Amino acid sequence: AQSVTQPDIHITVSEGASLELRCNYSYGATPYLFWYVQSPGQGLQLLLKYFSGDTLVQGIKGFEAEFKRSQSSFNLRKPSVHWSDAAEYFCAVGAGTLNSGYSTLTFGKGTMLLVSP
Amino acid sequence: DAGVIQSPRHEVTEMGQEVTLRCKPISGHDYLFWYRQTMMRGLELLIYFNNNVPIDDSGMPEDRFSAKMPNASFSTLKIQPSEPRDSAVYFCASSLGLAGALAGYEQYFGPGTRLTVT
Repeated sequence: AQSVTQPDIHITVSEGASLELRCNYSYGATPYLFWYVQSPGQGLQLLLKYFSGDTLVQGIKGFEAEFKRSQSSFNLRKPSVHWSDAAEYFCAVGAGTLNSGYSTLTFGKGTMLLVSP
Repeated sequence: DAGVIQSPRHEVTEMGQEVTLRCKPISGHDYLFWYRQTMMRGLELLIYFNNNVPIDDSGMPEDRFSAKMPNASFSTLKIQPSEPRDSAVYFCASSLGLAGALAGYEQYFGPGTRLTVT
């Protein structure tokens, strides 16, 4: 079975500073990887996803993530954080194949991002 | 599209009462998921449907929980009887699973129902 580890429960970053949120996954085959963001009182919104191809993927709101198979990681980055980025971020791994048609998602426990002025 | 719609947004009930949570998925999506989110356990998949048929309910914690999807535009999650440990935020999500190699798999989440059982 697949699993996801987000080692940081909370991270505080100064506004304008760069951000990296860590995600490690466990899955026997090539995973599908996702980052979602959850603002207070809201549902989860997809930031970006990796299925195959280029290991550096671009997402919405200026976020990017890099898939590193050798490290089983899919870390999320942003070069300059804005106060509106304060939220909880979830990494997720999907199991399945493109031919099988579907993948259920396993989510990490989340990392809460705090942005200081 | 209005997105995934959940009702109610907040529910407060007493232990032992029946609770019904409702979800309307995005039109055209063929997969529907119910999740529960708590501080202790994070986001857990309870059950999911494909074309209105339950595919995997292994995440449903107990027989007190049941879910139905009578048609493509409506699903319910019922807890009977409810207990304080059921207090959580329940999310519904939908997805278009077979839209093509890269078009599927993204799950669209509703705003959630915050359930408090006293």
